[in-house]
Amino acid sequence: EVQLLDSGGGLVQPGGSLRLSCAASGFTFSDYSMVWVRQAPGKGLEWVSALSSRGDVAYYAYSVKGRFTISRDNSKNTLYLQLNSLRAEDTAVYYCVKCYGRCLKNHFDHWGQGTLVTVSS
Amino acid sequence: DIQLTQSPSYLSASVGDRVTVTCRASQGISSFLAWYQQKPGKAPKLLIYAASTLQSGVPSRFSGSGSGTEFTLTISSLQPEDFATYYCQQLDTYPFTFGPGTKVDI
Repeated sequence: EVQLLDSGGGLVQPGGSLRLSCAASGFTFSDYSMVWVRQAPGKGLEWVSALSSRGDVAYYAYSVKGRFTISRDNSKNTLYLQLNSLRAEDTAVYYCVKCYGRCLKNHFDHWGQGTLVTVSS
Repeated sequence: DIQLTQSPSYLSASVGDRVTVTCRASQGISSFLAWYQQKPGKAPKLLIYAASTLQSGVPSRFSGSGSGTEFTLTISSLQPEDFATYYCQQLDTYPFTFGPGTKVDI
């Protein structure tokens, strides 16, 4: 069974940093592209970033480009999202999501439970 | 960026009703569209991908259709567990985008 366990969220001050982790199990992690999707309180879904299976190609939403960095450690079956220069508008539940193979021209087939990031002074 | 709109944004329905949600893309996306269901406090769940392919384990009362710029999600006979918010998503081009959601309520 595919499992994605998101962690690392919490309360952080504006301008601060946080690193989110996603521990994957139940599939061959190194074969699949992965993404992060976020959802602000009471709002819709927003795609944040995507990373290829080997970790060599990354894509970012304009709203986070230059501030967030996606990475992975295939030896540890773990996906990361480094969040820097955080703003109040980054407050959201962050979901780790598995793509069905590649993400482009495909779909997201399994979602983590989400981890809440709150940016506030 | 490709924009997605959904209609209606809110839908009031009863158990047994046939429900249709429409998703429109600002430019053609072939069939690279997925539908997700989200219940309060839970992660989204994939229902349909490639516009019309039912994800394994999803009840057959859910169906999807369309290509290009107009897509529909249909629930043939609404069940109590189907009251949720539904999102469409395009995966044709980066940045991936979601529709604003359709809340299906009693």
